Amino acid sequence: GESVGLHLPTLSVQEGDNSIINCAYSNSASDYFIWYKQESGKGPQFIIDIRSNMDKRQGQRVTVLLNKTVKHLSLQIAATQPGDSAVYFCAEATSGGSNYKLTFGKGTLLTVNP
Amino acid sequence: NAGVMQNPRHLVRRRGQEARLRCSPMKGHSHVYWYRQLPEEGLKFMVYLQKENIIDESGMPKERFSAEFPKEGPSILRIQQVVRGDSAAYFCASSPPIPKETQYFGPGTRLLVL
Repeated sequence: GESVGLHLPTLSVQEGDNSIINCAYSNSASDYFIWYKQESGKGPQFIIDIRSNMDKRQGQRVTVLLNKTVKHLSLQIAATQPGDSAVYFCAEATSGGSNYKLTFGKGTLLTVNP
Repeated sequence: NAGVMQNPRHLVRRRGQEARLRCSPMKGHSHVYWYRQLPEEGLKFMVYLQKENIIDESGMPKERFSAEFPKEGPSILRIQQVVRGDSAAYFCASSPPIPKETQYFGPGTRLLVL
């Protein structure tokens, strides 16, 4: 079965609000996590990543939080814009033998209302 | 500074025909990965290749599917005797040798089997 899953399949927010997308993982050996954004008809676009030796990482308008205790990952998008509307996937990998094999969740559809 | 390139973007085949999907990695990237995405699902790992080597094909169906990454030219994912269940989006990703986990995706090839 899937080792990565998402709590909310859809999320609708107003433009300018902050968005939080959650992800749970079950493989305690996973030590690398990535968030991808996928717009309709396009390939996944790298947003931000985090390694297990960190619990927070910030990018431009995005923050990823990692809680290894409860195996939970979240993506926060500040001041959400219509262009942020897309499906967001979390993915995990394990360093070592299979560090190349990303395992994806099913995705969360984010809709930003103007 | 081109990203990962895939062609064709759309491919229509009749049952029993062969499908060939091509992927050119980003400049400087020597690792290629193929993933398959069914509608409204996450990506599933298929195969990981380096130049002239298949490193891991554990996600490939046992029959009809093959992949290569020759010394010169793009990586090829080949599906023989396609069936309707092969209809999906096929994504290629590439990464530099270090860090191996950061995979950048191409726009995908959408295969439709009639």
